[in-house]
Amino acid sequence: GQQLNQSPQSMFIQEGEDVSMNCTSSSIFNTWLWYKQDPGEGPVLLIALYKAGELTSNGRLTAQFGITRKDSFLNISASIPSDVGIYFCAGPSNRDDKIIFGKGTRLHILP
Amino acid sequence: DAGITQSPRHKVTETGTPVTLRCHQTENHRYMYWYRQDPGHGLRLIHYSYGVKDTDKGEVSDGYSVSRSKTEDFLLTLESATSSQTSVYFCAISDLLAFYEQYFGPGTRLTVT
Repeated sequence: GQQLNQSPQSMFIQEGEDVSMNCTSSSIFNTWLWYKQDPGEGPVLLIALYKAGELTSNGRLTAQFGITRKDSFLNISASIPSDVGIYFCAGPSNRDDKIIFGKGTRLHILP
Repeated sequence: DAGITQSPRHKVTETGTPVTLRCHQTENHRYMYWYRQDPGHGLRLIHYSYGVKDTDKGEVSDGYSVSRSKTEDFLLTLESATSSQTSVYFCAISDLLAFYEQYFGPGTRLTVT
């Protein structure tokens, strides 16, 4: 079945650095979603992308819908401690419209 | 934040006992979902509902049943809990106009001993 592959699985950065992560698939997605999950909480929707090439920002976060429709990228500028958490990409299955989630990228910020 | 609550937030139960988890929303959203989250597997869909009394199975529905008698409530029942059902359970909601944008509750951590 369709899968979403996120990389890196884990990243360690210094506060203030910019962060880039991506999500890829072997099949086309018509919608890309990015979520963040804090420890002990439910995922929170950050950005939804609906059009190939679309670039959308939410504060310091920017996400892009890849031109091939097989990938999406999330960038965080000037990271702060509260950015720590797990970032998930997601998209609807082309078989039954159910949302498929990637396994996540865990972001750690070094003091 | 979307108005979604889950109860209980934590539960420990014994193998073989029935367990019911509740999801309550105040957003009047049509669609509701139950997921489980496990290390190495990510979020997996258990059951979902597309309206009152309309439910269907997801990817990992064996051992679970659901009911939705009101728009605001979606119940997940483990008829006879097993240790493999130890997990964190999340409820999510979405609406027709932004169908793919799911909003999640805070989760229920269930431990089956």
